[in-house]
Amino acid sequence: DAGVIQSPRHEVTEMGQEVTLRCKPISGHDYLFWYRQTMMRGLELLIYFNNNVPIDDSGMPEDRFSAKMPNASFSTLKIQPSEPRDSAVYFCASSRLAGNEQFFGPGTRLTVL
Amino acid sequence: EDQVTQSPEALRLQEGESSSLNCSYTVSGLRGLFWYRQDPGKGPEFLFTLYSAGEEKEKERLKATLTKKESFLHITAPKPEDSATYLCAVLRRNTGNQFYFGTGTSLTVIP
Repeated sequence: DAGVIQSPRHEVTEMGQEVTLRCKPISGHDYLFWYRQTMMRGLELLIYFNNNVPIDDSGMPEDRFSAKMPNASFSTLKIQPSEPRDSAVYFCASSRLAGNEQFFGPGTRLTVL
Repeated sequence: EDQVTQSPEALRLQEGESSSLNCSYTVSGLRGLFWYRQDPGKGPEFLFTLYSAGEEKEKERLKATLTKKESFLHITAPKPEDSATYLCAVLRRNTGNQFYFGTGTSLTVIP
C-alpha cells in the first residue's frame, strides 16, 4: 500500500485566499483524521471522520475551516479566507478501527503571507 | 484538565549512551498510550501501543513501559539513526477516537 497520500506537500498563499488540502487514506481504513502541527502547540486534532461521516469537529479553530469526505478514498480540508496564523503543517492520518494506531501522511506545509 | 507532558524537550546523547524519555499524563480512564517517531519533514510513524500498567513493548533498541501515571521510552545503546522527535499520545475512554499528543522529545544521537 502507498500509505496515506497528501497534496500538495507545500502551499504558499496570501492572506485572504482560499486553501484546499487533500488526503487519500489507506484503503480499508474506516477512520480519517486531520491534524495541525505547530512548534508552539504541537499536534492538534482538528476533525475526524468514521465511514465518511464527521464525528468530532470540536478542534476546528473557527468557521473559516471546513472539512469534507465525499467518499472512502478522499477528504479535503479547506480554509477560507486564510490568515497568517494558519501557517502550520497539516497532517492527515487514517486508522482501521477505533482506538487503533494511526498512520500519518507526509503532511502539507502551509505558509500564509 | 487532561494533559500529556513529555520530558525532556530535547536530549543529546553520545552514540551508545542509553537513556529514557518520559511521557506523563493526567487523564481519567486511559484506554491506550501510543508512541510515535517523527523525522524532520515527515509524518509521525507508529512505534508502540500500551494498554495497561505494567505492560512493556520492545523493538530493536527501544523499549516502552507504562505505569498508571507515566510511560517511559528507554533507548539502549542508541545510534545516530535513532535521532528524531519522539511523540506520545493518549487515548481516553469515552472520548470516541480522540488522541491527545504531547509536544515531543527531540533526540539527537552524536556519533
